[in-house]
Amino acid sequence: QVQLVQSGAEVKGPGASVKVSCKASGYTFNLHWMRQAPGQGFEWLGIINPSSGDTIYAQKFQGRVTMTRDTSTSTVYMELSSLRSEDTAVYYCAREPAHGSLYFDYWGQGTLVTVSS
Amino acid sequence: EIVLTQSPGTLSLSPGERATLSCRASQTVNTRSLAWYQQKAGQAPRLLIYAASSRATGIPDRFSGSGSGTDFTLTISRLEPEDFAVYYCQQFDSSSMYTFGQGTKLEMK
Repeated sequence: QVQLVQSGAEVKGPGASVKVSCKASGYTFNLHWMRQAPGQGFEWLGIINPSSGDTIYAQKFQGRVTMTRDTSTSTVYMELSSLRSEDTAVYYCAREPAHGSLYFDYWGQGTLVTVSS
Repeated sequence: EIVLTQSPGTLSLSPGERATLSCRASQTVNTRSLAWYQQKAGQAPRLLIYAASSRATGIPDRFSGSGSGTDFTLTISRLEPEDFAVYYCQQFDSSSMYTFGQGTKLEMK
């Protein structure tokens, strides 16, 4: 049974960084990060392969996002820096089940990140 | 970048009725990369359909997906009370990577 469990809500000031974790149980080929601003749709941030650590970031977030993993705990991390108010959103990790799946079959419960002075 | 436009923005129907949701792409989409999700308030999305027409595990057969090229449709044949939610389409292409539509809210009349 696949489960993705994310860390809890965060409140950060403008210019700060936030690091969100996603602990995976069960097989995960790739893990992706998306975000959903209040009342809005979804925005893709990037992908990490938990085995190799290889990453691909959305062009919009390159230079501000870093995805890492800890294989000993089956946990991946997404760190977003230089936070601004527009980064306030619920951040989700989601599983891509196999190479070339191109969809997300399991999602974490979401982590609310609030950027406020 | 491929932009996905969903219509209508809000659809008001009654239980037992048929729902037809549209997802139109600004350029041709690889059918294999078109997926549909359901999201209820305060919850993470749930995968319904992948590769445009394949139902995900555990999804009732009243949900079906169709389409190709730039026009895709999610159909719910007979609405159940638990189907009222927001629905999103999603695609992948090598230039814009993963993009989502803005969603269609399916509300109870």
